Amino acid sequence: GQSLEQPSEVTAVEGAIVQINCTYQTSGFYGLSWYQQHDGGAPTFLSYNGLDGLEETGRFSSFLSRSDSYGYLLLQELQMKDSASYFCAVSNSGYALNFGKGTSLLVTP
Amino acid sequence: GAGVSQSPSNKVTEKGKDVELRCDPISGHTALYWYRQSLGQGLEFLIYFQGNSAPDKSGLPSDRFSAERTGGSVSTLTIQRTQQEDSAVYLCASSLDSGRGEQFFGPGTRLTVL
Repeated sequence: GQSLEQPSEVTAVEGAIVQINCTYQTSGFYGLSWYQQHDGGAPTFLSYNGLDGLEETGRFSSFLSRSDSYGYLLLQELQMKDSASYFCAVSNSGYALNFGKGTSLLVTP
Repeated sequence: GAGVSQSPSNKVTEKGKDVELRCDPISGHTALYWYRQSLGQGLEFLIYFQGNSAPDKSGLPSDRFSAERTGGSVSTLTIQRTQQEDSAVYLCASSLDSGRGEQFFGPGTRLTVL
């Protein structure tokens, strides 16, 4: 089978840095993606890691270690609007995504 | 440009009825996916279409679920004899190709089975 583990909730202060970890077990692996979803909204793509290392996109960075079956999403200079759910997702077939249960991030003043 | 659209946005039905959910992907996107999301949960893969290839139906939870994609564009997800456990948000996504995990999601259809 396959599974993804990520923390259910994280709270951080505006302006701070927060890291959301994701560990996975899967029979095949093409890459690790991260999506953001605000309450009542659609998931939106944040980043993708197909190879080991760090990918940076503005305030967001994502890291992957294939040997450790581990990745994380790093959010810097947190803003109130970053309060949302964050999902890691594994592509184990090259197309369909298997999502974790999500991490609810609350940014406080 | 226009994003992925889905209709209806909300659907309330009675147990045992059939429902049809529609998805219009982004123009030019060859890949189309259906997922469902139960309250407070992650997304569960249902079915995948790529061009004219046979769809991957491996995620469909039962034979009450079916989907088709006409002309490589619009897709319809049909649930027959709906059950209360079918209540969820059904999300459609499309992508240019099937790589890199970047999928564009529609706003979803919230299905409530009474």
